[in-house]
Amino acid sequence: QSALTQPASVSGSPGQSITISCTGTSSDIGGFNFVSWYQHHPGKAPKLLISEVSVRRSGISDRFSGSKSGNTASLTISGLQVEDEADYYCESYTIRSTMYVFGTGTTVAVL
Amino acid sequence: QVLLLESGPGLVKPSQTLSLTCTVSGHSINSHNFYWHWIRQHPERGLEWIGYVSYSGTTYYNPSLKSRLVISADTSKSQFFMSLSSVTAADTAIYYCALRRSNYYGVGLDPWGQGTLVTVSS
Repeated sequence: QSALTQPASVSGSPGQSITISCTGTSSDIGGFNFVSWYQHHPGKAPKLLISEVSVRRSGISDRFSGSKSGNTASLTISGLQVEDEADYYCESYTIRSTMYVFGTGTTVAVL
Repeated sequence: QVLLLESGPGLVKPSQTLSLTCTVSGHSINSHNFYWHWIRQHPERGLEWIGYVSYSGTTYYNPSLKSRLVISADTSKSQFFMSLSSVTAADTAIYYCALRRSNYYGVGLDPWGQGTLVTVSS
């Protein structure tokens, strides 16, 4: 299966904003508004941040926001904090037989 | 609050069958429109969606694993399971179980278990 493409790493200073991209095709991201984003601190359970491209899960800080343009979805973290250091994954529904596909993952570093 | 906990052998020999259990607490496993998923993360790589069993017992598998995979549930024990046969080193991964609370494709996986590492090695 073809995973969605994310940058391997993104970094920023505390207080800055960063954006993580997630690129797919018209069969997944481009065709539907069914993109979710997860935060994963290694050794812990991954946590849902955003569903349906831009809908924040209850209890998630409004520093996290999602958007989509064409075949690319994006997660923006504003006011970067040390605790935001983690791996981030996108996920999309796909019309291919795999039904769901994840991104390759992005490690966020707060410098 | 729904909690998920994976369990299973940490080490499986090549060609054998990998069997994992996800124990659910805080909600009935046969609640309407609940879909119970398995996902894995290979070492140093991203996530791979494995498949699900629904509240009614229907299943859907990743085609790349379908010939070796069975996912099932036991509502009386609040557990669901995955069994992957003929494993190779390529099946070494952290295996997660998770819940999707709808058949609407836009709903994310929430919550997840903490994952269990399975190593395939002789």
